[in-house]
Amino acid sequence: AQSVTQLDSQVPVFEEAPVELRCNYSSSVSVYLFWYVQYPNQGLQLLLKYLSGSTLVESINGFEAEFNKSQTSFHLRKPSVHISDTAEYFCAVEPRNSGNTPLVFGKGTRLSVIA
Amino acid sequence: EPEVTQTPSHQVTQMGQEVILRCVPISNHLYFYWYRQILGQKVEFLVSFYNNEISEKSEIFDDQFSVERPDGSNFTLKIRSTKLEDSAMYFCASRSDRFNEQYFGPGTRLTVT
Repeated sequence: AQSVTQLDSQVPVFEEAPVELRCNYSSSVSVYLFWYVQYPNQGLQLLLKYLSGSTLVESINGFEAEFNKSQTSFHLRKPSVHISDTAEYFCAVEPRNSGNTPLVFGKGTRLSVIA
Repeated sequence: EPEVTQTPSHQVTQMGQEVILRCVPISNHLYFYWYRQILGQKVEFLVSFYNNEISEKSEIFDDQFSVERPDGSNFTLKIRSTKLEDSAMYFCASRSDRFNEQYFGPGTRLTVT
């Protein structure tokens, strides 16, 4: 079985400051890793994913995440946040090569960007 | 860009009533899922569906729940006799057979009174 821990439930940060949202996972098998974002009153949108290859993955809006196998982490970072980044961020894992298995989510981190 | 849609956006029902939540997955996707999120808690898996049958279900998905793909486009979740603890946001998701990426709908907020 898999589990995901997001250590921070809420992260307030000033506009243009850097941010890191932490994600650790536990799994007995190799996994794919995902970050989803949920803007107010909207559904879940895929922000970025790690499937294989380079351990550093980037999104189109400036977020990046690095897969660290030894620390079983997939922390999300952005060097300079905007007001529009205010949202809930969910880390999720899926077992590799397992067909139609579901995502396992963390509890989410609410990022609040302050002007 | 194709997207998953869900109706209604908000459903209020009385305890013991039946509800049907509807989803239209992306048209060429083959895998379908229902998840739920109780307020303040994590997103939890309910059930996955492929080739017109349930692939996997969680402990939450008991006999009160059922899913159906009544036609080529809709994917429904039925709760036969709702309980207060069924109040949650319900998300539908779909995935193609080529990419490991689930696309989520905007959710249906179910309130059981």
